[in-house]
Amino acid sequence: KAGVTQTPRYLIKTRGQQVTLSCSPISGHRSVSWYQQTPGQGLQFLFEYFSETQRNKGNFPGRFSGRQFSNSRSEMNVSTLELGDSALYLCASSLVLSKDAHEQFFGPGTRLTVL
Amino acid sequence: AQTVTQSQPEMSVQEAETVTLSCTYDTSENNYYLFWYKQPPSRQMILVIRQEAYKQQNATENRFSVNFQKAAKSFSLKISDSQLGDTAMYFCAFMPEYGQNFVFGPGTRLSVLP
Repeated sequence: KAGVTQTPRYLIKTRGQQVTLSCSPISGHRSVSWYQQTPGQGLQFLFEYFSETQRNKGNFPGRFSGRQFSNSRSEMNVSTLELGDSALYLCASSLVLSKDAHEQFFGPGTRLTVL
Repeated sequence: AQTVTQSQPEMSVQEAETVTLSCTYDTSENNYYLFWYKQPPSRQMILVIRQEAYKQQNATENRFSVNFQKAAKSFSLKISDSQLGDTAMYFCAFMPEYGQNFVFGPGTRLSVLP
């Protein structure tokens, strides 16, 4: 079974631009979560989607948004990029409604650099 | 709000020896899940071991085992017979029983020395 995939793996943008990151969960997984990882703040939860609905949201400004499609693929968008948005963005999927419902499988991440 | 603390930013261990990574957490919930994730230099996060709070028996997974002390809110990871491939960042994570996202600790960078 293929793992969680994220595209692109690396991205360089300039301040003020916007960016869209993509995540394809493991086949059959319906929940997709996004995390931001930085050296200073560590791993922080952005949001979680299930069946195309945002169920949970972390403490990030409105510039960070996401969506999920009917095939469970998810995208996150960051508008008006700031230098502090430089980070590794991790996507994780999980199989809800099973005894292992709380295990999340992570993708390799997208490394975003904002110049 | 839940918090997770890992008091050891960096640790090192000789190959084949045993090392213990510490994790404490704060929550008012009674049922929850605890995890240890490993992030090698390649950056792919991998689940090492998980523990359900309602289970008293400590989880084990081959060379990895935990010491779960619910009353003390402590969840340490013991790695036996350390291998070079164990070199990675280790994150302790908490998830409420009906939650959908992890609260991660700051991580412990473990280096296994030859």
